[in-house]
Amino acid sequence: DTAVSQTPKYLVTQMGNDKSIKCEQNLGHDTMYWYKQDSKKFLKIMFSYNNKELIINETVPNRFSPKSPDKAHLNLHINSLELGDSAVYFCASSQGLPISTDTQYFGPGTRLTVL
Amino acid sequence: GENVEQHPSTLSVQEGDSAVIKCTYSDSASNYFPWYKQELGKGPQLIIDIRSNVGEKKDQRIAVTLNKTAKHFSLHITETQPEDSAVYFCAAVTSGTYKYIFGTGTRLKVLA
Repeated sequence: DTAVSQTPKYLVTQMGNDKSIKCEQNLGHDTMYWYKQDSKKFLKIMFSYNNKELIINETVPNRFSPKSPDKAHLNLHINSLELGDSAVYFCASSQGLPISTDTQYFGPGTRLTVL
Repeated sequence: GENVEQHPSTLSVQEGDSAVIKCTYSDSASNYFPWYKQELGKGPQLIIDIRSNVGEKKDQRIAVTLNKTAKHFSLHITETQPEDSAVYFCAAVTSGTYKYIFGTGTRLKVLA
């Protein structure tokens, strides 16, 4: 069974569209994250939720809106997509609060291409 | 802000040789240092980690060393195999800051 899963794996869309990426973890973890990996492979955190509450919100355009319906799911909705949003987006989860430096487990990624 | 420098950006070694990747962090309060391996088309996977109260940790062919004074830590892979080829990321984490600060990655190629 996949511990952290994301859908879709690939997403190709036009500029200006709105799209969502879904993430689920079956590890029983309390904290989930979204990362963006650019073309140079640089990994940067975007958001983190602990038990459905937002705890990290980096400098990300407000076109990006995470939603956590329960602690096992963290979805990412992106409005008015721009060319610069093209990247691979990774979901991750960890046992407790980030303050505890628990290991983060990553999903397989979603490659978003904006045309 | 905090940052982690990682070197080299690319590394090619012959099968059976050793590979060493080095990272330097800026926040002296960092206390957890994981290493991730990312294979093509996959997400990063934890391969080894070390906490600040330990100087070295080994797991079969993989070892990590930490020098807190110099604020750097290194990944050592011995007897490399073609399946070790991947991008490796280091990270530095500080309790209370909520964030993993990742290095820029090292693309390791093991030549058969």
